[in-house]
Amino acid sequence: DTGVSQNPRHKITKRGQNVTFRCDPISEHNRLYWYRQTLGQGPEFLTYFQNEAQLEKSRLLSDRFSAERPKGSFSTLEIQRTEQGDSAMYLCASSPPGQEETQYFGPGTRLLVL
Amino acid sequence: RKEVEQDPGPFNVPEGATVAFNCTYSNSASQSFFWYRQDCRKEPKLLMSVYSSGNEDGRFTAQLNRASQYISLLIRDSKLSDSATYLCVVSSGGSYIPTFGRGTSLIVHP
Repeated sequence: DTGVSQNPRHKITKRGQNVTFRCDPISEHNRLYWYRQTLGQGPEFLTYFQNEAQLEKSRLLSDRFSAERPKGSFSTLEIQRTEQGDSAMYLCASSPPGQEETQYFGPGTRLLVL
Repeated sequence: RKEVEQDPGPFNVPEGATVAFNCTYSNSASQSFFWYRQDCRKEPKLLMSVYSSGNEDGRFTAQLNRASQYISLLIRDSKLSDSATYLCVVSSGGSYIPTFGRGTSLIVHP
């Protein structure tokens, strides 16, 4: 079963370092979403792509956050100059054409900034 | 006021009980509504969509009240395996950018 995969699953970094997370969506899913989830809260939408086009990025948390999906397949989320407040679970989800509301989530990358 | 509000619980119920969760949303232009389930330390998974006419899937019933801007989820004959966090999701417009509630925790005990 090739669901959504995310790497790494866990990341510990020191404050000020840059980190990059990867998401591989389900094959042929054209939409890809990034979320952040903190303890006791629901996922918080960050950005999404339709194929390689980033259609919404105004909700990225700051200009330290950026995302790419260069070939319309896998995506990366980068956080520059990490802060302790960036510690969270970063979730990726994808959805098939015509079924945007049916999102399949990956297992997430848990980030801890020391 | 948050866009999507849920009582975080936890709701602690015995097996076999019926339990209901409500979720209120603030944007009257919201068009799509869903319930997701999230197990501890796992990713969210779609449980069911919520339609204006209401819909049922086995022991689960979802309803939408547009006038009062809330959706509900009813679980009948609770099982131990129903223990999870239930996330309410609301989306506005055609671009489908979902807003998640904080989730309601359900604990079903023997």
